[in-house]
Amino acid sequence: DIQVTQSPSSLSASVGDRVTITCRASQNIGIYLNWYQLKPGKAPNLLISATSRLHSGLPSRFSGSGSGTDFTLTISGLQPEDFATYYCQQSYDTPLTFGGGTKVGVK
Amino acid sequence: QVQLQESGPGLVKPSETLSLTCTVSDASINTYYWAWIRQPPGKGLEWIGHMTYSGSPSYHPSLKSRVSITLDASHKQFSLKVNSVTAADTAIYYCARNRQDPDDTFDIWGQGTEVIVSS
Repeated sequence: DIQVTQSPSSLSASVGDRVTITCRASQNIGIYLNWYQLKPGKAPNLLISATSRLHSGLPSRFSGSGSGTDFTLTISGLQPEDFATYYCQQSYDTPLTFGGGTKVGVK
Repeated sequence: QVQLQESGPGLVKPSETLSLTCTVSDASINTYYWAWIRQPPGKGLEWIGHMTYSGSPSYHPSLKSRVSITLDASHKQFSLKVNSVTAADTAIYYCARNRQDPDDTFDIWGQGTEVIVSS
């Protein structure tokens, strides 16, 4: 299985901050890395696919970068609705695997 | 916008079978792959498996011996069964659309349903 290691597991931030979350895959996965946002009691949301493709309708403050084994999700100018837990997921091979999650909380 | 809704018992006894259904709001069930994903309490997300529109399933190796996913296009539903459950199967279970184009993603999810395994 491809292991995906996400860091940090949690962080505290303020509205307007720039937030960076990283994922590292245990092998080269090209650009086959997606990002999701989860909030309690709500359907999860796809944010970014294939490392950097912003999902339709989402604000441009979300961006993704990387390739191979190292990937980054950046939120430029954190908004109140962005406090949530974020997960990366590799789609290079089955079993599809997720990172451990990063909870973005209020500072 | 297509919507997904999970349904099924919230409490299952150990050694019994967990059964969940996901209802798709439109006819796209014939077009995409359909997946189940779970999140145990305090843990991350785990892919359980998916079913293609052509009827070919793929399962997580660690669950393959206990899991089956089936698709009922006439009712716009797909289902999950997990046999011989234990407390380790306690989780929030999500159904999701597994879109292959332009990228392989879970682009639409249900809200999730909590299943507790307990006697």
